[in-house]
Amino acid sequence: GAVVSQHPSWVICKSGTSVKIECRSLDFQATTMFWYRQFPKQSLMLMATSNEGSKATYEQGVEKDKFLINHASLTLSTLTVTSAHPEDSSFYICSALGGGEKLFFGSGTQLSVL
Amino acid sequence: GENVEQHPSTLSVQEGDSAVIKCTYSDSASNYFPWYKQELGKGPQLIIDIRSNVGEKKDQRIAVTLNKTAKHFSLHITETQPEDSAVYFCAAVRLNEKLTFGTGTRLTIIP
Repeated sequence: GAVVSQHPSWVICKSGTSVKIECRSLDFQATTMFWYRQFPKQSLMLMATSNEGSKATYEQGVEKDKFLINHASLTLSTLTVTSAHPEDSSFYICSALGGGEKLFFGSGTQLSVL
Repeated sequence: GENVEQHPSTLSVQEGDSAVIKCTYSDSASNYFPWYKQELGKGPQLIIDIRSNVGEKKDQRIAVTLNKTAKHFSLHITETQPEDSAVYFCAAVRLNEKLTFGTGTRLTIIP
């Protein structure tokens, strides 16, 4: 299947700092990527839909000024958690549409905010 | 919008036995049903999928069945192995809509 690379796999940061997470589609072009958040023992919660060359579409309740998404090319989308706080600690996962409706996921990023 | 229910939430199976996970969906227009396997600390991995024009699909030890009339679909894993232990998510989606995930099933294979 298609490969989606996500970095970093884990990050620890101080409260108030910003963290950037990268998501790359390695062997296909992805006009649409998605960002999810997952709490322990729970399902995936869609945060936003990232479209190449346009503004991201955020789900209800997700602060767009806090979770900045940039999809500048067909193979790269980034999520920046700005002014991170302990409540932002979570597992963040990106995904990309590859081949019709097939959705492929990155390996996830565990964010811990101290 | 779509609502996907998944059962059971946890499942323990003796190695070599079969495991079955069931999902129901609410939107009759949903036409694509993927299943994902998520290991601890990793992203979900697509393991099998089925479209609404097909009733059953098999890939080695994994099979998925779909009943459009009853709006439910199931994942079947035969001859389970320890490496099958993971959390499994079903999902449903209609064309140009966002994927809706089930709540997940934690499968444990007992050696």
